[in-house]
Parts: sequence; structure tokens; C-alpha cells
Amino acid sequence: QKEVEQNSGPLSVPEGAIASLNCTYSDRGSQSFFWYRQYSGKSPELIMSIYSNGDKEDGRFTAQLNKASQYVSLLIRDSQPSDSATYLCAVNIGYNFNKFYFGSGTKLNVKP
Amino acid sequence: DAGVIQSPRHEVTEMGQEVTLRCKPISGHNSLFWYRQTMMRGLELLIYFNNNVPIDDSGMPEDRFSAKMPNASFSTLKIQPSEPRDSAVYFCASSGGRRLGYGYTFGSGTRLTVV
Repeated sequence: QKEVEQNSGPLSVPEGAIASLNCTYSDRGSQSFFWYRQYSGKSPELIMSIYSNGDKEDGRFTAQLNKASQYVSLLIRDSQPSDSATYLCAVNIGYNFNKFYFGSGTKLNVKP
Repeated sequence: DAGVIQSPRHEVTEMGQEVTLRCKPISGHNSLFWYRQTMMRGLELLIYFNNNVPIDDSGMPEDRFSAKMPNASFSTLKIQPSEPRDSAVYFCASSGGRRLGYGYTFGSGTRLTVV
């Protein structure tokens, strides 16, 4: 079992819809969870962090965390074609807040 | 802030040659990370430094790989001798830790091709 698992996609949604991206992780000691966006040929960029169970909203983005189920998700409301990218989930390793496992990423296509 | 600066952006080299990748982290960030990204294996952590000290090099694939951080503003990743299977995009990232947050800022990457 991989430490962080994501559906590779592609996930296709129409413009204006809600895109839901999911991630599961194996280390019950993990405390920090991040979402990165990576455009093709570019480097990953940090878009959201979440540390506590529940929802965290930032503009059109909402991160959701359920530690009991070892599940973290990212919702993108009012999806735009410019949101088309690969979204990477990152989970810290145990109690090491500096070291992260990355999922393989979910490719999102937002169709105009 | 100029962000994390990596050089070169692209490197094409012949098998057996030495390759040196360079990174300048964001000023004030105390942690620096070297990652490798391939289609097959995704993002893999090779090594990370905290306050210029190597903390975890368990991801370094072989003795052919070495990394140094002689000061807070510069790090190198060296591959000697290089092999075709080393072809990948190598990213450097830095973070501010507890004080500035644990999220990474990535550099633009170095695309390495070993022929």
C-alpha cells in the first residue's frame, strides 16, 4: 500500500461545476496535509493546508480532513478552465513536520 | 522575493558524466529539500537539510548521488557517474518550518536527460 493514494484521473468537469479531488493516507500519526497544484511542465505550487478535522475554506477552494477515516479532499467551486492541472496531495510522515509523502496526483480537466 | 532558484533549467549529458544541480532557497527558510519527479514514480524525496545539516538522505538512490549545503543560501545535488535512468525533473524546495509554515515553495526544476 502506498503512503498516499490518489486517483490519477483524468477527472473531467464542466466549467462552473464543483470538482472534488480525494486522497487517502496510511500513516495514522500524520498531522499536516497540503494540496499542491502542478501545471504541465511547471513546478508544484502550494494552494491549501489543513491540520484539523473538518473543513477549511480559501476562496473557491475547500479542504476537508477526516483523520479517523484517513481521508483528505479538495473541493474546487465554480471550476474554471485555468484550474486544469494535476493536483498533488502531500501528507507529513508521522511526527516529522518537515518530511512529506506526495501522492501521484489527480489530473483535472475543466471543459469550457 | 525571487523564490527558490534552480540552475540549470535543462541539462543534457552523456552517460558517465558528472552532473551538478544547484539551488538557492528562499531567504529565511531553514529547510531545503531535493525531490525527483518521473512519470512512473511521481515525486520522490531524495534528501533534506535543516539549518544546513543533512537530516534524512534515505531517499538518495545510490552512492552516485550526493548533496551538500555549505551555507544557508546554496545547495548542490551531484550525480557521478550519471546513468540514463537518472533522467527526470529534479526539484529543489524550501520551507520556513514552524515559524513560517511547513508548506514547500518549489523551484522551477532542472530537467535532466542522460543519453
